Amino acid sequence: SAVISQKPSRDICQRGTSLTIQCQVDSQVTMMFWYRQQPGQSLTLIATANQGSEATYESGFVIDKFPISRPNLTFSTLTVSNMSPEDSSIYLCSAQGGLLQETQYFGPGTRLLVL
Amino acid sequence: GNSVTQMEGPVTLSEEAFLTINCTYTATGYPSLFWYVQYPGEGLQLLLKATKADDKGSNKGFEATYRKETTSFHLEKGSVQVSDSAVYFCALKRSGGSNYKLTFGKGTLLTVNP
Repeated sequence: SAVISQKPSRDICQRGTSLTIQCQVDSQVTMMFWYRQQPGQSLTLIATANQGSEATYESGFVIDKFPISRPNLTFSTLTVSNMSPEDSSIYLCSAQGGLLQETQYFGPGTRLLVL
Repeated sequence: GNSVTQMEGPVTLSEEAFLTINCTYTATGYPSLFWYVQYPGEGLQLLLKATKADDKGSNKGFEATYRKETTSFHLEKGSVQVSDSAVYFCALKRSGGSNYKLTFGKGTLLTVNP
């Protein structure tokens, strides 16, 4: 398995501001992903973070709202821009590949509340 | 497309009871199947997995067998503990190539009472 950490673990933010979430993996991985888990719901894939190129977004998610960076094989960031209360969710990163092989492992999540 | 259907929760059991959480799937090809667990206030942890038909995944007393004929991957545990209280997610991933996306079920909340 792998150790995947996220920062911050939780935050309370004001409407209209932006928050950047960091994800760090303790080994080099091929793929990193960002998911959203709305209260009481399952996970929805936001995008795949591609190293050295633009992220690949799922239907319903756009780069202007959720810009993603992946500068190397162990680190990625997700920014939630111009937040509204509807963005209140848990945001999880996951990783796959390298030593992790074909299994996806998840970080602990970032709990975001937008007022 | 791919889909995962899980038993609706919540499920409430007494300690030492037998647990089954049903999971069936729809997929083309030969997917890999997973159970993830989310303890209160935490992220997802991989509980067990199976990558081909008739494989049995097991961990921490939990088991699930990949049944291709019934397209199922039911989670079982013979004797649950209070510490097993969590949300359980069944998921599948198509195997090979760029088929890396996980498709999750809706999750089943399990509460175990002492």
